[in-house]
Amino acid sequence: EAGVTQSPTHLIKTRGQQATLRCSPISGHTSVYWYQQALGLGLQFLLWYDEGEERNRGNFPPRFSGRQFPNYSSELNVNALELEDSALYLCASSWDGYSNQPQHFGDGTRLSIL
Amino acid sequence: QQQVKQSPQSLIVQKGGISIINCAYENTAFDYFPWYQQFPGKGPALLIAIRPDVSEKKEGRFTISFNKSAKQFSLHIMDSQPGDSATYFCAAKGQGGSEKLVFGKGTKLTVNP
Repeated sequence: EAGVTQSPTHLIKTRGQQATLRCSPISGHTSVYWYQQALGLGLQFLLWYDEGEERNRGNFPPRFSGRQFPNYSSELNVNALELEDSALYLCASSWDGYSNQPQHFGDGTRLSIL
Repeated sequence: QQQVKQSPQSLIVQKGGISIINCAYENTAFDYFPWYQQFPGKGPALLIAIRPDVSEKKEGRFTISFNKSAKQFSLHIMDSQPGDSATYFCAAKGQGGSEKLVFGKGTKLTVNP
């Protein structure tokens, strides 16, 4: 069974630019989660998508947004990039988001802002 | 109230020893407590999880102990091996879709040969 896949592995941007990160969940999983892992801060919940809809959002500004496609893959978009957005962005998927099913993570996209 | 406090921040253990990582929470609505293991350059991998209706769960060398009254849970790694060297995260989540998975800040474990 293929795991959660994320692309690109690394992304280098400059301040003010926009970044798009992509995630393909495990086959059969309908829920996709995005997390930010900044140095020393642990994993911070960003967004949860299920069945194509945004279901929950963490304490992040609106310039962090995303969407989920009909095949359950997902995109995370970060607009007006700031230096503090430099982090590892992790995607996770689960069977559904309502019954505490295990979340399985990809290896992340390392976003560096210059 | 959404925080999960994890300690220690780093831990050095000799091969064959027992590694113990502790977590504490305040939100009594939490009812799912997973532990994740993360190697450098990789995403977190689910190690073991427990729900509050049991006090202990064991999978191989890994054991979660859960104390509901104290609102604490811990991970014990028996017979620690150099290959266990990684960062470990505890997490907690309430029931229902509106609840998010809340992570501790992680413990970097080093097992010396």
